[in-house]
Amino acid sequence: SYELTQPPSVSVSPGEMAKIACSGDVLPKQRAFWYQQKPGQAPILVMYKDTERPSGIPERFSGSSSGTTVTLTISGVQAEDEADYYCQSADSSGNYVVFGGGTKLTVL
Amino acid sequence: QLHLQESGPGLVKSSETLSLTCTVSAGSITISSSSYFWGWVRQPPGKGLEWIGSFYYSGNTYYNPSLKSRVTISVDTSKKQFSLNLTSVTAADTAVYYCARHVRTVTRIEGVNWFDPWGQGTLVTVSS
Repeated sequence: SYELTQPPSVSVSPGEMAKIACSGDVLPKQRAFWYQQKPGQAPILVMYKDTERPSGIPERFSGSSSGTTVTLTISGVQAEDEADYYCQSADSSGNYVVFGGGTKLTVL
Repeated sequence: QLHLQESGPGLVKSSETLSLTCTVSAGSITISSSSYFWGWVRQPPGKGLEWIGSFYYSGNTYYNPSLKSRVTISVDTSKKQFSLNLTSVTAADTAVYYCARHVRTVTRIEGVNWFDPWGQGTLVTVSS
């Protein structure tokens, strides 16, 4: 089965930069997407097609791609950014969706 | 703005069938664009997200291989609803179940699959 690998946790102080990486063999042919999930809430899309930011998502969120790794960057982290972040893509056929294991972002 | 809402029993007995419905409002479930699928995702307590399956209203359906033998997704276009049936449930199926619109474009060059928006989710507990 296809897998996406993320670090289980990232910790930063307010105002610092947070980077969350996600690696998978079929990236970048299968584009990557990022979701933010706060406790008790449904996930929301914060980045699509590796680097595109949906309307309504703050500019401090950005995405990048290099080889088989995509990275979600949050510049000037705020307390409200504390959440779980999931990357998501698909297998080589594009027919079967896969989520990464999730990264808990802690704002110290 | 498109809105999805899950509904169904919050408690299911082990070995029985879990059945949930997702109601779509402020939008069409029969969008003619072949990019718009509808899907289910679940999240066991304290764990990560797991895709269950997705379908296109006129036929194409894709299921997570690990669940395929137990899952059926169906649609009632007249009610703007789609449903999830998961048979022979065990405690491992206890989770929050989300429905979501699945935007999908797969070509020889690239594959694009994402979920937006999501329903609020519904907790289903499997009891022994």
